[in-house]
Amino acid sequence: EDKVVQSPLSLVVHEGDTVTLNCSYEVTNFRSLLWYKQEKKAPTFLFMLTSSGIEKKSGRLSSILDKKELFSILNITATQTGDSAVYLCAVPLGVNYGGSQGNLIFGKGTKLSVKP
Amino acid sequence: SQTIHQWPATLVQPVGSPLSLECTVEGTSNPNLYWYRQAAGRGLQLLFYSVGIGQISSEVPQNLSASRPQDRQFILSSKKLLLSDSGFYLCAWSVAGLSYEQYFGPGTRLTVT
Repeated sequence: EDKVVQSPLSLVVHEGDTVTLNCSYEVTNFRSLLWYKQEKKAPTFLFMLTSSGIEKKSGRLSSILDKKELFSILNITATQTGDSAVYLCAVPLGVNYGGSQGNLIFGKGTKLSVKP
Repeated sequence: SQTIHQWPATLVQPVGSPLSLECTVEGTSNPNLYWYRQAAGRGLQLLFYSVGIGQISSEVPQNLSASRPQDRQFILSSKKLLLSDSGFYLCAWSVAGLSYEQYFGPGTRLTVT
């Protein structure tokens, strides 16, 4: 059965700390892995990773994929209270319908709380 | 730029009542559309997806249904709500044939009492 597992489920840190969020997956016909940030409502897209070992970076956030070991990590350096959110990891499932129809399976998320 | 709207933002309905949630996308044509449910402590569960007008695929059996009467309109319905239908409902869209990235609407918080 295809699945995505995130760890830890929750994490409390102080401003300025560096955190690493984990996402492991088991899926047939792997194509990519996506990270989202969900604050109060809609998840917002962060990164999509398709190749092993190539880091994607946006400000203090970075992510990397290991297709051999079937996992990805999301790093946040110098955390701020505004980083408090649930971070979701997702992979497309199923038959290749030509790209964007790939339905996503999501992990349960990591709830990050950053204290001042 | 593209935007996605959902309404209502919150809804409280009694068990056995009908449901209609609406989602519309602006600024793009022929998007793929998705309905998700997020229950407390659980991840996002895909309910329905659509690749075109009138084309609906269901991922899980349930008492919900979806329709796509227009290219950029996606509707989630139920004839009789159950307590277990409570949750946070999210609509999402993606560009057909280009990428796996999906973009989410603001969501509807449904409480069935």
